[in-house]
Amino acid sequence: DQQVKQNSPSLSVQEGRISILNCDYTNSMFDYFLWYKKYPAEGPTFLISISSIKDKNEDGRFTVFLNKSAKHLSLHIVPSQPGDSAVYFCAASAGGSNYKLTFGKGTLLTVNP
Amino acid sequence: DSGVTQTPKHLITATGQRVTLRCSPRSGDLSVYWYQQSLDQGLQFLIQYYNGEERAKGNILERFSAQQFPDLHSELNLSSLELGDSALYFCASTRGGSGANVLTFGAGSRLTVL
Repeated sequence: DQQVKQNSPSLSVQEGRISILNCDYTNSMFDYFLWYKKYPAEGPTFLISISSIKDKNEDGRFTVFLNKSAKHLSLHIVPSQPGDSAVYFCAASAGGSNYKLTFGKGTLLTVNP
Repeated sequence: DSGVTQTPKHLITATGQRVTLRCSPRSGDLSVYWYQQSLDQGLQFLIQYYNGEERAKGNILERFSAQQFPDLHSELNLSSLELGDSALYFCASTRGGSGANVLTFGAGSRLTVL
């Protein structure tokens, strides 16, 4: 049973445009959500997070939106840059317990110059 | 460099064999986590150690075991290997043992079972 779903295996956008990566979850106990970015031959690196008490968190070009009623979150990257090309993983945890991060399968983002 | 060191980077072995993956956490971090990423899968949580003690267990097979040593490095032992054990194994660390801390991942160990 996949509790965190990233339904788009890949996404391609033009440099300078907006990238929107989506994530759905099924477990209503999840209360903390994170996005990780992964380059080839490297481990995932933390990008941005959001607590369930918020509906938006912004950090520079990256904004995460949370819609609790729809159990949906999205990551917006504006403007997209070629260096953003990577696999993006959505992750969630329940009760503030980071040790049981549940990850989605990831979305490969390609930003074309 | 994330500060989390994993060795070996690549490992090729045969079915039925046993391997040990090693992880050194970031300086000052007390918790170590192991995750498995199989082909086309998300990262699956295996096990967490905090300051030498097992803290949480996920979908870890009985053929797999782990430990954290007094110097805080951790080893993941995989035995009676099967083809399906081929995967990327990631180690991550955090300062504390719980709470919404951000995990810092190593670069992973790629295991290929032939």
